[in-house]
Amino acid sequence: DAKTTQPTSMDCAEGRAANLPCNHSTISGNEYVYWYRQIHSQGPQYIIHGLKNNETNEMASLIITEDRKSSTLILPHATLRDTAVYYCIVGRVGNEKLTFGTGTRLTIIP
Amino acid sequence: ETGVTQSPTHLIKTRGQQVTLRCSSQSGHNTVSWYQQALGQGPQFIFQYYREEENGRGNFPPRFSGLQFPNYSSELNVNALELDDSALYLCASSLDRVLGETQYFGPGTRLLVL
Repeated sequence: DAKTTQPTSMDCAEGRAANLPCNHSTISGNEYVYWYRQIHSQGPQYIIHGLKNNETNEMASLIITEDRKSSTLILPHATLRDTAVYYCIVGRVGNEKLTFGTGTRLTIIP
Repeated sequence: ETGVTQSPTHLIKTRGQQVTLRCSSQSGHNTVSWYQQALGQGPQFIFQYYREEENGRGNFPPRFSGLQFPNYSSELNVNALELDDSALYLCASSLDRVLGETQYFGPGTRLLVL
């Protein structure tokens, strides 16, 4: 699976959009980009995933660059409950495992 | 709430002992994966079970073993515990074994080995 690079930490003001970047320059054509988050003392929670088109669901939007070498997770109106570690994961459909890095610790500031 | 439960929530063992951790998956989910999460690190894949058979294994020694049962429950067994086995152990269930299916994580079991 391709490796990902994320900033170690980020802050965002409550009510603003939180934009979390992820670099995956070695991604292959059949690999998806997944985002999970882990709130303190809980198991990881699925957020969204995509292949090459931008995706949106009730939690977030995923913007993938045209060359697929990077992506951005957008939380449109961050709340205090969005404070968590966010993991960007690249994986091939048909693979059985998620390969987590160390993620980005996002802190929402009141 | 993901519908995935784990027991116990916390556990303390001593080096050399054996431990069994339990997971109850969402009904209908025939795939369960186990992960180990050391403090300050992301979860690391241990293995996956699909319809009661092992379906992939990470870089963990054979003293880590598992079982999956027809009633959507599963176990992670660790023999000859070492200090480095201290971690949060997570199970995740999914509808199918392929990565495209969302994995639903339980809250984890925190194991401390003294």
